[in-house]
Amino acid sequence: EDQVTQSPEALRLQEGESSSLNCSYTVSGLRGLFWYRQDPGKGPEFLFTLYSAGEEKEKERLKATLTKKESFLHITAPKPEDSATYLCAVSYSGYSTLTFGKGTMLLVSP
Amino acid sequence: DGGITQSPKYLFRKEGQNVTLSCEQNLNHDAMYWYRQDPGQGLRLIYYSQIVNDFQKGDIAEGYSVSREKKESFPLTVTSAQKNPTAFYLCASSAQGDSGNTIYFGEGSWLTVV
Repeated sequence: EDQVTQSPEALRLQEGESSSLNCSYTVSGLRGLFWYRQDPGKGPEFLFTLYSAGEEKEKERLKATLTKKESFLHITAPKPEDSATYLCAVSYSGYSTLTFGKGTMLLVSP
Repeated sequence: DGGITQSPKYLFRKEGQNVTLSCEQNLNHDAMYWYRQDPGQGLRLIYYSQIVNDFQKGDIAEGYSVSREKKESFPLTVTSAQKNPTAFYLCASSAQGDSGNTIYFGEGSWLTVV
């Protein structure tokens, strides 16, 4: 069973059409939830870290939120340059590194 | 500029060969990591090191080896024992080996078996 599940696997939006990406996790003792953006053929770029339920963080058109079992990455009025794969990862007690989900591939059409 | 440098960007390996991927960071980070990324799969941890001269196996260490002789360097060797090495390899680092710290990534290296 995957400890971190991202949905949908792929999402196609029209420019300006807002939506949300989901990251659910089953680990206990969450220490942090991380969002990254990855462009094709490049390394992931750090976006946000969330540490506790109820926390929210924003950056330009992106807003990340966290509950006890999942996180959402809200994209408001996306632009084509927001097209990328968005990765979610968690850190939890007893494990020294991050556990990643498989990502959501976002395509924003003009 | 501070960052993580991986080289080469593209590498081809013949059957039975060992190849080494380089990773250097100038962020003064204590911890360094190697991940493998395959299409349709999440990032999988190969090895990580929290301090110099010490490293631990990750989830898929078989067929790989590492060394950590200097704080800024963490090379990965893909040995001939790794039967399916074609993948995108990512090196990363964090300030400390505490899982609450943010991990930052290099630009990746593509390895193809020919």
